[in-house]
Parts: sequence; structure tokens; C-alpha cells
Amino acid sequence: EDKVVQSPLSLVVHEGDTVTLNCSYEVTNFRSLLWYKQEKKAPTFLFMLTSSGIEKKSGRLSSILDKKELFSILNITATQTGDSAIYLCAVMASNTGKLIFGQGTTLQVKP
Amino acid sequence: DAGVIQSPRHEVTEMGQEVTLRCKPISGHNSLFWYRQTMMRGLELLIYFNNNVPIDDSGMPEDRFSAKMPNASFSTLKIQPSEPRDSAVYFCASSSTSRNNEQFFGPGTRLTVL
Repeated sequence: EDKVVQSPLSLVVHEGDTVTLNCSYEVTNFRSLLWYKQEKKAPTFLFMLTSSGIEKKSGRLSSILDKKELFSILNITATQTGDSAIYLCAVMASNTGKLIFGQGTTLQVKP
Repeated sequence: DAGVIQSPRHEVTEMGQEVTLRCKPISGHNSLFWYRQTMMRGLELLIYFNNNVPIDDSGMPEDRFSAKMPNASFSTLKIQPSEPRDSAVYFCASSSTSRNNEQFFGPGTRLTVL
């Protein structure tokens, strides 16, 4: 059975801290891995990773994929209270675009 | 670009009633997905369509749930009869194979079944 597992499930840090969120997967016909940020509404897209070892960056956020070890990490440096959200990892299988989501990591950044 | 449009945004109904959720995908997108999100189970895929055809409905909880996509710009998710355990946020998302299948989510419908 395909599955995506995220850790930790929740995390509380203070502004300025650096956090690393983990996502491991077991999915047949892997195509790509996506990270989403969800605040009080719908998930919004952060990154799509298809190749191993190529870091993707957007401001203070960065992510990398390891297709050999079947995991990805999402790093957030110099965290701000606005980074507080649920971070969702999803794996796209085959060519149909179907996403399998992990449970999410709830991040709380305290002032 | 209007994004994915869902209606209603909130629905409160009584157990046993029929509920219909609506979704308009982004114009030009050829795939549409219905998800359900709860605190206990997270985000679950219910069903998805490619070119208006249902591809995988293995996530649909039971026969009380049904989904249709009569054309490329409209889909419905129906629950009949509704039960309290159906209370959740229901998201619709759409994607396009020409854009790497990146899914764009609608704002969701928060359903409460009393």
C-alpha cells in the first residue's frame, strides 16, 4: 500500500529558529514529491521535486529529495510567526496526477 | 485566473439530508480531485477525474457518496443521506498535464452534519 509519513507531527519553535521537516514515502510508480503549506484555508503549493539532490529554494524555505532513500526534507531558516501552519508532503504517483498526502506537520512559531 | 471555485463555502445540515457540493476547476485544467480533510484522518483523496472521466474512486467512503463531472467546467460531490461523521472540510483541486500536474486547491466547503 502506498504511504507517505511525515515527522514530526507537531513542532513548536521560537522566531529565528531553523526547522527541518521530514517526509518519507513508499509509493509505486513515483513521479514527484510536493510540499504544501496550509494555514486556515486551502493548501498552497510550495515546491515540486522530481530529481534527487537538487535543492529548491524560495526565500527562507528550501527542500531536497533523496530518491534512493525515499525521503525529502523541508527547511525553514530564521522562522517567523507567519510560518505557523500545517506543512503537507504529497507524492504524485504515475502520470495521472493522483497525490498521496502525509499526515502533515503542524508548526507553531512563537514570538 | 479565478482559481478553483467551490460552493457553498459552509454547509450546516441535519442527519439524513442530502448534501451537494460544487466545484468549478480552473479553465483548461483536465484533472479534478475531491478531497476530505478531518483532524483525525488528515487530507484524503476521495475521487479524481481525468478529462471528465472518473479514474479512481477507491477513496469514496461508501455508497452514500457519489461524484459526477458532466463537463470540463463543473463537478459535484453528493452525500445522501448525510451522517454526522461526514462533517469535514471538502476540497476540490484541479491540475493540468501541461503544468506538471501541479494541483491548485479551491477554498473548501466546511460541512457540518448535526
